Amino acid sequence: SQKIEQNSEALNIQEGKTATLTCNYTNYSPAYLQWYRQDPGRGPVFLLLIRENEKEKRKERLKVTFDTTLKQSLFHITASQPADSATYLCALGYQAGTALIFGKGTTLSVSS
Amino acid sequence: NAGVTQTPKFQVLKTGQSMTLQCAQDMNHNSMYWYRQDPGMGLRLIYYSASEGTTDKGEVPNGYNVSRLNKREFSLRLESAAPSQTSVYFCASSKRGGASYEQYFGPGTRLTVT
Repeated sequence: SQKIEQNSEALNIQEGKTATLTCNYTNYSPAYLQWYRQDPGRGPVFLLLIRENEKEKRKERLKVTFDTTLKQSLFHITASQPADSATYLCALGYQAGTALIFGKGTTLSVSS
Repeated sequence: NAGVTQTPKFQVLKTGQSMTLQCAQDMNHNSMYWYRQDPGMGLRLIYYSASEGTTDKGEVPNGYNVSRLNKREFSLRLESAAPSQTSVYFCASSKRGGASYEQYFGPGTRLTVT
C-alpha cells in the first residue's frame, strides 16, 4: 500500500528564513499532490495543488515542487513569519480514485 | 457562506452508546467525506460520498455508518461506541470527487468514549 512520510514531526526556524518541508512517498506516483495547513483545534485548509506533469507551483510566499523521480514534494515558505506556525499536511491523489491519502504532517514553529 | 459546518463540537459518550455526527455544506459540492484524526496517525478516511445517493468505504469504516441525506448533508453514525473511537472527526467536501479538487474541511467534532 502507499506510504507517505513527511520529513519530521517538527521544524523550528527563525523569522525571515525559508522553511522547507518534505513529503516522500513510496510505490507509484500520484497524479496530484495537495498541501494543507492546520492550526490547533481547527480543520485543515487547502493551500496548493500540483499535478504530476508540473514541476513547480507558486502562490505568494509559498512554493511547491514535485519530483516523480525522487518520489518527493518539497513545500517552501519564504520570508517566514510567526503567523506561519502551524501543522502542514501533504496529501496524494490518483487519477482513478476519489480519496486523498494524507501524511501525518509536519509542525512548523517560526520564532521571532 | 458558512462553508462546512459540523455538530456537535464536543461529545462524551459511554461505551456502547450511539450517536450521529452531523455535517452540512452550503457550497453546492457534489462530494463529501468523513475523516478521523488521531495523534501520530494523521487524517484517515472513514467513508465518502462521491455524489448524492452514493457512499463508499474508506480506510477505516468498521464501527461506522453514513447517510448522504441530500446534496448538502452527510451524517456519520456510531452505533455502539468504543474507546478506540475516541478521536477528532472532520467532515469535508469538494466540488467533485477525485484528487484534482481541493477539499474544504469543517471545524471538527471532538469525541471521547469512556
